[in-house]
Amino acid sequence: LAKTTQPISMDSYEGQEVNITCSHNNIATNDYITWYQQFPSQGPRFIIQGYKTKVTNEVASLFIPADRKSSTLSLPRVSLSDTAVYYCLVAYNQGGKLIFGQGTELSVKP
Amino acid sequence: DTAVSQTPKYLVTQMGNDKSIKCEQNLGHDTMYWYKQDSKKFLKIMFSYNNKELIINETVPNRFSPKSPDKAHLNLHINSLELGDSAVYFCASSQPGQGTDTQYFGPGTRLTVL
Repeated sequence: LAKTTQPISMDSYEGQEVNITCSHNNIATNDYITWYQQFPSQGPRFIIQGYKTKVTNEVASLFIPADRKSSTLSLPRVSLSDTAVYYCLVAYNQGGKLIFGQGTELSVKP
Repeated sequence: DTAVSQTPKYLVTQMGNDKSIKCEQNLGHDTMYWYKQDSKKFLKIMFSYNNKELIINETVPNRFSPKSPDKAHLNLHINSLELGDSAVYFCASSQPGQGTDTQYFGPGTRLTVL
């Protein structure tokens, strides 16, 4: 049974690096991992997407180990405005399933 | 310019009523989706259409019926509304490519069933 799991909440302080891990044990070879950010009363917004090893863009990095059963979203030097809910999404090509994790509520404190 | 728009933003109605939520995207994408986000913020896909054809139809009561008049629009009609239908409904769109697709979400429609 395809499942995507992540921690419910995390706390951090401004300027720290935050790492949020998502577990996806049943991921298959061609399945991609995508992370979204959601602020209150808004729709989720794309952050980063990856398939293997490491992907970096202007806002985050995504680390995917060789077995691909988990992935880690890394936010460098967070600020108060990074307080949001972060979702991991795996598109399981087998069965055409799109399964979000339950979301990680990140709280950044001054 | 709004990429994915939904109307209405808020919808309050009585149990047993029928209501519709509209979604439009101006990104030229071929694929559109409907998601339900419950009070615990869990996001679950309901439907997906590619070029007006249904491609994902999760286990959703048949009181929910999506309609896609053209590839820029995907509306959601709900019959005989129940208390448990109260949630935020998000529309999204994407352009199929290699691997998976980046989805662009609308602002959401908060449905409250009394």
